[in-house]
Amino acid sequence: EIVLTQSPATLSLSPGERATLSCRASQSVGDYLTWYQQRPGQAPRVLIYDASYRATGIPDRFSGSGSGTDFTLTISSLEPEDFAVYYCQQRSNWPPYTFGQGTKLELK
Amino acid sequence: EVQLLESGGGLVQPGGSLRLSCAASGFTIRGYAMTWVRQAPGKGLEWVSTITATDGRAYYADSVKGRFTISRDNSKNTLYLQMNSLTADDTAVFYCAKDARPWRHGDYFNDWGQGTLVTVSS
Repeated sequence: EIVLTQSPATLSLSPGERATLSCRASQSVGDYLTWYQQRPGQAPRVLIYDASYRATGIPDRFSGSGSGTDFTLTISSLEPEDFAVYYCQQRSNWPPYTFGQGTKLELK
Repeated sequence: EVQLLESGGGLVQPGGSLRLSCAASGFTIRGYAMTWVRQAPGKGLEWVSTITATDGRAYYADSVKGRFTISRDNSKNTLYLQMNSLTADDTAVFYCAKDARPWRHGDYFNDWGQGTLVTVSS
């Protein structure tokens, strides 16, 4: 089973700042890495798929990079609605699909 | 517009059973792999089960294997999760999710329902 480790667990920033979230895989997942956002009380929604492709309707302040075992989600300038929990997920070697434990992006 | 509407959650005693449903609209589930993902209170996301589009093959997390059964009724455009021998560790919000692209499996999940809460407690 591929283990995904996200860091940091919590990130405290202010609107307008840049956010950098990390996801590290225990073995290579190629480009098969997805980022989801989950706001309180809501279902997850896909932001980035295949490591770097923005999903439909996702603002261009969100970007993804990386391949193999190290991946980054960057939010270039935080908006109030971006404060949420972010999960990475791999689909390279399944079952099982695995998720990271999440990074909580909180208002400083 | 794609919509996924889960139902069937509720309070059940340890050892009991529950069947969750996910009614789909805006697309035909027959053409897509469909998945259940759960989230225990205050915890992260955990993949539970997937049923493929091409051959209807089912896959399960080790934590539910032998207790849960995923199925679909194409005529009702509905996905199901039969859950037996429930324990407190199964307490979670259960989401159904749809693969992004048809007639494949191992894809990412681009549509999610709002979830249904399952509470296992005496």
